[in-house]
Amino acid sequence: EAQVTQNPRYLITVTGKKLTVTCSQNMNHEYMSWYRQDPGLGLRQIYYSMNVEVTDKGDVPEGYKVSRKEKRNFPLILESPSPNQTSLYFCASSLILAGSYEQYFGPGTRLTVT
Amino acid sequence: AQSVAQPEDQVNVAEGNPLTVKCTYSVSGNPYLFWYVQYPNRGLQFLLKYITGDNLVKGSYGFEAEFNKSQTSFHLKKPSALVSDSALYFCAVRDQENNDMRFGAGTRLTVKP
Repeated sequence: EAQVTQNPRYLITVTGKKLTVTCSQNMNHEYMSWYRQDPGLGLRQIYYSMNVEVTDKGDVPEGYKVSRKEKRNFPLILESPSPNQTSLYFCASSLILAGSYEQYFGPGTRLTVT
Repeated sequence: AQSVAQPEDQVNVAEGNPLTVKCTYSVSGNPYLFWYVQYPNRGLQFLLKYITGDNLVKGSYGFEAEFNKSQTSFHLKKPSALVSDSALYFCAVRDQENNDMRFGAGTRLTVKP
């Protein structure tokens, strides 16, 4: 089954404790992206990657890191989480072909930083 | 940079009535436009997209959207709403000149029996 998986689905942590949210897709997609969803703000892009070893900042990259060492994986790293990073996070992937940019989304990771 | 506006936080319609969820956009070049739906506790699901060609785009679950270049709009429509259409709907835009996406804030659609 074609899918984007994220782990963990729920995470409660404390300020300053490094964490990683994993994202994996099995569709051989070149493009992968991370978003955060906050009430009234919709989805805001954190980072995206056009292919292996190619990453770019989105709208709200501060406080986040990503890496793309393999095509299928795109982990999101919070080196020193803060309470304002409490949010619902989505990973997404898509092909890069002219016109074929609809994204497939993971189920989401709800992060609480206390 | 591109942007998207969904002017209504909430849309309420009765089952069987037509529905419209509004979206306007701003890009410097030509847009790719998308609609996604989010059901409770789920990720977003793709509904339809406009890339080029016909201004009326048909998508999943009987939804369609009309691209209007002069009004920079891409409103989502359905002729007859179902209770099961109740969800959060997001419009998104990507400028064909760059690779980042912009999503609107979302519109919560409630269809009442």
